[in-house]
Amino acid sequence: DAGVTQSPTHLIKTRGQHVTLRCSPISGHKSVSWYQQVLGQGPQFIFQYYEKEERGRGNFPDRFSARQFPNYSSELNVNALLLGDSALYLCASSLSGSSEAFFGQGTRLTVV
Amino acid sequence: QKEVEQNSGPLSVPEGAIASLNCTYSDRGSQSFFWYRQYSGKSPELIMFIYSNGDKEDGRFTAQLNKASQYVSLLIRDSQPSDSATYLCAVSEDFGNEKLTFGTGTRLTIIP
Repeated sequence: DAGVTQSPTHLIKTRGQHVTLRCSPISGHKSVSWYQQVLGQGPQFIFQYYEKEERGRGNFPDRFSARQFPNYSSELNVNALLLGDSALYLCASSLSGSSEAFFGQGTRLTVV
Repeated sequence: QKEVEQNSGPLSVPEGAIASLNCTYSDRGSQSFFWYRQYSGKSPELIMFIYSNGDKEDGRFTAQLNKASQYVSLLIRDSQPSDSATYLCAVSEDFGNEKLTFGTGTRLTIIP
């Protein structure tokens, strides 16, 4: 069975640019969450989506946005990139009604 | 602000010994508690979850929860070099909420 898949795996962007990260959840999982993990820190919650509706948002600026599609895949968009946005971006999926989240391999974003 | 505290380590344990990892959390209303293992450069992998006070065992791993003390621990018996990794403690507000608050992680090294 395929796990959570994220694309791309690595990305280098310039300050001020925009980036779109993609996530496909485990088959049957309807909830997708996004996390940012800066080197040496634990993941920080950005967004949760369930059935295409935003269910939660972490303490991130409006430059961060996301959406979930009818097939439950999701995109995370970040505008006006800053050097501080350099991090590992993790997508996690879970069954509805369950908190057991399974993570994808992540997208390593470097902003230069 | 909800916080999850972990000793960042590094924690060094001889092969075959018991490794003990600890975590405290600030939100008394937290309902779900998770331990993730993260190898360097990889995404977090769910090891254990616990919802009720007491102990929960799975193979060489035992999770312990004390809600009165707001304390969660993970014991790893018969430690192996492959257990060397960063262990992340994560807490959720309720059973249906995948918004996880993570600690910064404890780096564990098993010495052969």
